[in-house]
Amino acid sequence: EDQVTQSPEALRLQEGESSSLNCSYTVSGLRGLFWYRQDPGKGPEFLFTLYSAGEEKEKERLKATLTKKESFLHITAPKPEDSATYLCAVVDNFNKFYFGSGTKLNVKP
Amino acid sequence: EPEVTQTPSHQVTQMGQEVILRCVPISNHLYFYWYRQILGQKVEFLVSFYNNEISEKSEIFDDQFSVERPDGSNFTLKIRSTKLEDSAMYFCASVAESSYNSPLHFGNGTRLTVT
Repeated sequence: EDQVTQSPEALRLQEGESSSLNCSYTVSGLRGLFWYRQDPGKGPEFLFTLYSAGEEKEKERLKATLTKKESFLHITAPKPEDSATYLCAVVDNFNKFYFGSGTKLNVKP
Repeated sequence: EPEVTQTPSHQVTQMGQEVILRCVPISNHLYFYWYRQILGQKVEFLVSFYNNEISEKSEIFDDQFSVERPDGSNFTLKIRSTKLEDSAMYFCASVAESSYNSPLHFGNGTRLTVT
């Protein structure tokens, strides 16, 4: 059973076209939810940590939010350099990280 | 900014050969991990390591895998007899303290190709 599900699998946007990526999770005892950015051939790069429902974090054009069952990564007015795969990960009561399959974002100029 | 470094960036080996993947975690970090990512698939947990011993391992981490921290800086993953299905990106990660307080910091990975 998947603990972390991300949607959509792939997303194509025009530059400036805002959208949201979804991460839903089913782990018990969520200790934290993390968003990462992964460029081709590179390791995941940390973006945000969210700990409790209602929490929000922002960084440049990205904003992450958390509810009891899911998290959203909102991208406002994206640029081509935002193109990457965005990974969501959760950590449970046993300090184990579970990763989603990622959303591959492509922003066209 | 301190980072996790991995060598080599790409390793090609023949089936049945042994490989050692090397990692230098961030110096003040205490918890170390290996993950792998088969092309186009999700990042999968292999093993976590703390206080010079394995704290948890996944079903993937069978007897052909082993980890070691031979000195104060290196953290290695050994695959004793590689199989074709071991071809993947292998990522090392480290974290400063209890995981839920801190994110994992990843290296850029070693691409292992088994022929």
